[in-house]
Amino acid sequence: GENVEQHPSTLSVQEGDSAVIKCTYSDSASNYFPWYKQELGKGPQLIIDIRSNVGEKKDQRIAVTLNKTAKHFSLHITETQPEDSAVYFCAASTTGANSKLTFGKGITLSVRP
Amino acid sequence: DTEVTQTPKHLVMGMTNKKSLKCEQHMGHRAMYWYKQKAKKPPELMFVYSYEKLSINESVPSRFSPECPNSSLLNLHLHALQPEDSALYLCASSRKKGDFFGTDTQYFGPGTRLTVL
Repeated sequence: GENVEQHPSTLSVQEGDSAVIKCTYSDSASNYFPWYKQELGKGPQLIIDIRSNVGEKKDQRIAVTLNKTAKHFSLHITETQPEDSAVYFCAASTTGANSKLTFGKGITLSVRP
Repeated sequence: DTEVTQTPKHLVMGMTNKKSLKCEQHMGHRAMYWYKQKAKKPPELMFVYSYEKLSINESVPSRFSPECPNSSLLNLHLHALQPEDSALYLCASSRKKGDFFGTDTQYFGPGTRLTVL
């Protein structure tokens, strides 16, 4: 089955700096890659997703890039703010009868004021 | 509006109790999901309903019993739970495009924090 790995497991940045979180996946048939942000005591919130027919997607300060050849995708957050502090999960999925999201282990991002 | 609501927010129950978790969405989504999340871990899929029919059961113990009474509502009935079942239980929904779930965009609710004593 699919295996998604997330690096690093924790990340601390200064407010205003950029943060990059990378995920690798194992199944070359995976074609959908969402990113979720989870704040303490809350459910995961979708922040951006990308499908395999595009290489990059941007939404204001957040962007995701996908490298299908290398089987990795990355979340880029620019001009980080303290409210970006949270756990971030990447996930991957194939298309198939019982396809499901496979999540990475999550990364705790801390933005220092 | 991409809102999934869950009640209750917190639940404490004994091992002999019977309780239910409730999830609701009014986005017209036709797929609904239950996930279990332990502390500092990613969500783990438990069940998937599609058009009110159970489509995926990830080999979940029978002490967890899902129910989908209509397209907006999803329940999880709990009976004879163990302390290790204590976790955050998350509901999600998705539009259900085509035949497959994995590539649907899923929207999560805030979860029910369950403690089993």
